[in-house]
Amino acid sequence: RKEVEQDPGPFNVPEGATVAFNCTYSNSASQSFFWYRQDCRKEPKLLMSVYSSGNEDGRFTAQLNRASQYISLLIRDSKLSDSATYLCVVNRSNFGNEKLTFGTGTRLTIIP
Amino acid sequence: GAVVSQHPSWVICKSGTSVKIECRSLDFQATTMFWYRQFPKQSLMLMATSNEGSKATYEQGVEKDKFLINHASLTLSTLTVTSAHPEDSSFYICSARPPGGTSYYEQYFGPGTRLTVT
Repeated sequence: RKEVEQDPGPFNVPEGATVAFNCTYSNSASQSFFWYRQDCRKEPKLLMSVYSSGNEDGRFTAQLNRASQYISLLIRDSKLSDSATYLCVVNRSNFGNEKLTFGTGTRLTIIP
Repeated sequence: GAVVSQHPSWVICKSGTSVKIECRSLDFQATTMFWYRQFPKQSLMLMATSNEGSKATYEQGVEKDKFLINHASLTLSTLTVTSAHPEDSSFYICSARPPGGTSYYEQYFGPGTRLTVT
């Protein structure tokens, strides 16, 4: 089983719609959680950290359920510029050595 | 925000030659930098953790003699792909972790280096 699993998509969503991505992680020792976005042939960029209490940044809402080892990202009122691959990322620290583990990403295309 | 640069952004080399990739943190000091590799339609895979002033820590399955890492200063880490082969063709991305900040584990990525070995 992969450490971080995501539905690869693709998700083709009309502009203005709401879209949700899910992610599960296998290691219960994971400590920090993030959503990154990656545009084609570019580096990943941090979208937001994910906290147990849930957090919101404009149109983006992230949720973490530690008991279920599940992370979600909700995008409201989607824009054409939201088209990208969204990476679920989990950080684990083991004896001081930290490691980010990336999911394979969920590809989103917003349709005009 | 924290800025990380990489050079070159793309490189084509012949099989058997060596290629050096530089990763710089431009506006902060980074005691730790990370090197990743991404093959097409796959996720980023951590290759090694680069520690300033000490040896890099390599992930399982990554040959340390083939992928030489040198973190000579708090703002520069280099990855040298030695005796490159076509299967080494990939997108190599570095990241650096700024000290402090709201999330200790946030990493900021360089723009990546696309390596093609012919």
